[in-house]
Amino acid sequence: GQNIDQPTEMTATEGAIVQINCTYQTSGFNGLFWYQQHAGEAPTFLSYNVLDGLEEKGRFSSFLSRSKGYSYLLLKELQMKDSASYLCAVVDSNYQLIWGAGTKLIIKP
Amino acid sequence: NAGVTQTPKFRILKIGQSMTLQCTQDMNHNYMYWYRQDPGMGLKLIYYSVGAGITDKGEVPNGYNVSRSTTEDFPLRLELAAPSQTSVYFCASSRDSQETQYFGPGTRLLVL
Repeated sequence: GQNIDQPTEMTATEGAIVQINCTYQTSGFNGLFWYQQHAGEAPTFLSYNVLDGLEEKGRFSSFLSRSKGYSYLLLKELQMKDSASYLCAVVDSNYQLIWGAGTKLIIKP
Repeated sequence: NAGVTQTPKFRILKIGQSMTLQCTQDMNHNYMYWYRQDPGMGLKLIYYSVGAGITDKGEVPNGYNVSRSTTEDFPLRLELAAPSQTSVYFCASSRDSQETQYFGPGTRLLVL
């Protein structure tokens, strides 16, 4: 079967750095997305990785290792508005998105 | 551009009633999707469409139907609502299968 694993919940302090991990086992791989979802709102796009390595975009970076079936989202200089759920999703061999359950990130002052 | 719009925002249904959730996108995207999201859970794909006139089942299609008569619209029909269909429903669209999906604001459905 297809599986995407993320921690259920993480807590971090304002101004700090946090890394949210995602491991996946899917039938094929055609890219990995990270989305942010604030409570009661729709998911919004953060990043897309299809090749190994690190993609940096401001305070957010995403890393991919296809051989390990592993990705992480790195958030720097955390702000209170970063409190949200972070969803990892993999495009499988049928070009369908398989979604993880999401990681709820709680930021404390 | 309005992006992806959904109506209604919130609805309460009685068991056995039917309703249609509306979804419209103005980005001329070929791909459209319907998801449901239960509390604390990830998104589950109900149905998707790769273009007008073409629809296919996702992971959890039972109890739902869709149609795609135009590029812009992708309504989701619930027949004989059941309490298990209480959820938040998101519609999304993308230019193609490997591109970013843009989501509507969601419809919160309560079946009592």
